[in-house]
Amino acid sequence: AQSVTQLDSQVPVFEEAPVELRCNYSSSVSVYLFWYVQYPNQGLQLLLKYLSGSTLVKGINGFEAEFNKSQTSFHLRKPSVHISDTAEYFCAVSGTSYDKVIFGPGTSLSVIP
Amino acid sequence: DVKVTQSSRYLVKRTGEKVFLECVQDMDHENMFWYRQDPGLGLRLIYFSYDVKMKEKGDIPEGYSVSREKKERFSLILESASTNQTSMYLCASTRIENTEAFFGQGTRLTVV
Repeated sequence: AQSVTQLDSQVPVFEEAPVELRCNYSSSVSVYLFWYVQYPNQGLQLLLKYLSGSTLVKGINGFEAEFNKSQTSFHLRKPSVHISDTAEYFCAVSGTSYDKVIFGPGTSLSVIP
Repeated sequence: DVKVTQSSRYLVKRTGEKVFLECVQDMDHENMFWYRQDPGLGLRLIYFSYDVKMKEKGDIPEGYSVSREKKERFSLILESASTNQTSMYLCASTRIENTEAFFGQGTRLTVV
């Protein structure tokens, strides 16, 4: 069975500082990996995804993530955060077809001015 | 513009009532999902369906059932609502390949 761990439930960071949100997964099959973002009082939207190919994936709003198969990780990074990045971030994993999409518990990013 | 529509944004129901949550997608997606979102627990999968009349249990199916009679519509049913089912319910859909999930705006259900 697949599972996702997000080690940090809350991450406070000062504006313009770098940030890393950690995600580890477990799966016995090939997977797709995702980061979704939920801004306050809004629905979830896709930030970026890894399907295959290059292990460094770039997404919207300057975020990127690196897939590390040996460490079963998919950490999200941004070199300089903005106030508008304050949101809940969810890591997710799925099999490649006809499979469930499993989400982690989420990391609440708070950007401090 | 792609869309997943949930029939209600807010619902208040009494304990013991039968509750129907409806979800419709207009993207001709094969896969559809129901999650509940609770603070600190993230999104937990209740049920998913990869085809009409097909369903699979997720991680927390107890107290819920689902129906998918048409490809575009996936219904979540609470047979006898209880206060511990007070939550935000999210519907999502994907193509077979699971390359991206599209979410509805959510239904906040309160059971009193």
